[in-house]
Amino acid sequence: GIQVEQSPPDLILQEGANSTLRCNFSDSVNNLQWFHQNPWGQLINLFYIPSGTKQNGRLSATTVATERYSLLYISSSQTTDSGVYFCAVGGQAGTALIFGKGTTLSVSS
Amino acid sequence: ETGVTQTPRHLVMGMTNKKSLKCEQHLGHNAMYWYKQSAKKPLELMFVYSLEERVENNSVPSRFSPECPNSSHLFLHLHTLQPEDSALYLCASSQESWQTGAPLHFGNGTRLTVT
Repeated sequence: GIQVEQSPPDLILQEGANSTLRCNFSDSVNNLQWFHQNPWGQLINLFYIPSGTKQNGRLSATTVATERYSLLYISSSQTTDSGVYFCAVGGQAGTALIFGKGTTLSVSS
Repeated sequence: ETGVTQTPRHLVMGMTNKKSLKCEQHLGHNAMYWYKQSAKKPLELMFVYSLEERVENNSVPSRFSPECPNSSHLFLHLHTLQPEDSALYLCASSQESWQTGAPLHFGNGTRLTVT
């Protein structure tokens, strides 16, 4: 099956800093989603982005499907951005989403 | 308000108990999912229901039994669980059949502890 690797595993930032999270995957995909899990366990869908670039406020994401990676950009980070960011991908055959291990982000004031 | 509601939020049960987790989605979606999240492990897909028919089961032990009476409700029946089954159980839904790759929307999860 598809392998999903996220980096870095942990990230510590000061409020106001920018960051880039990376997701590499091992095969062609027709589905890629980014999620944020807050400290209370709630998983929020940030982007559905199998290819191209999208922006939503301070967050943006880019997926380069031909090179098998996706990037999540967080600008002017806030303490509420803390949590775990997951990348999940689905293969061309319409398989279920496979989740990466996540990047744990801690933003301090 | 997430549009996907799970109850209970927390559950502690003994290994001989029988309990059920409930999920309800208010989004008009056609597919629902159960995921398991254990400490230090990626989310694991347990079951998928699309248009009320179970279409995938990732070799989950039989002590977990799903039920989907309609497209808005999903249950996970638990019996004779083991301590290693302690985890966060997440329900999700998507608008289209899961094979099309539609965005997932998650509930808040049920934190299960098996003693």
